[in-house]
Amino acid sequence: GQNIDQPTEMTATEGAIVQINCTYQTSGFNGLFWYQQHAGEAPTFLSYNVLDGLEEKGRFSSFLSRSKGYSYLLLKELQMKDSASYLCAVINQAGTALIFGKGTTLSVSS
Amino acid sequence: EAQVTQNPRYLITVTGKKLTVTCSQNMNHEYMSWYRQDPGLGLRQIYYSMNVEVTDKGDVPEGYKVSRKEKRNFPLILESPSPNQTSLYFCASSRGTSINEQFFGPGTRLTVL
Repeated sequence: GQNIDQPTEMTATEGAIVQINCTYQTSGFNGLFWYQQHAGEAPTFLSYNVLDGLEEKGRFSSFLSRSKGYSYLLLKELQMKDSASYLCAVINQAGTALIFGKGTTLSVSS
Repeated sequence: EAQVTQNPRYLITVTGKKLTVTCSQNMNHEYMSWYRQDPGLGLRQIYYSMNVEVTDKGDVPEGYKVSRKEKRNFPLILESPSPNQTSLYFCASSRGTSINEQFFGPGTRLTVL
């Protein structure tokens, strides 16, 4: 089976840096995604990691360690609009579906 | 504009009354999928389709049907809705016949009384 764990909630202040962790247990690994979802809206793609290391994209970066079954999403220079849920998802062994974690709700305050 | 559309966006219905939620994408994507999202449970896959006339069950298929007669459309059918199918439903699509970046529709909030 597959299991994905991420913290339920996090809080941070504007301008700060926050790291959202995700650990996964999977039989086989085909890639890991991070999505952002504002309340009541559709998830939107943030990043995709299939090899170990850091992928940087503007204020957002994502890191993957396949040997540790671990990823994190790093958000820099936080803005109020970054208040949202962040979803970690891995591709299942068959390559037919994304298995999502329950999401981390980030609240950014001024 | 490249997009995935769903209709209706909101629906309140009663137990046992058959309904269909439509999903359409204009990106010529092969792969399409339906998810439901419930508080505390996250997004869970209901059904997926790798291409026209090819569909398969996801993690929570009970009580749902799908069809894929054309590449752009992937309707979700609830033959006899029950209150435990009250949820937020998302359709998604992606290029190719295996998973990569998925584009999600805006969601359909369904309430079954």
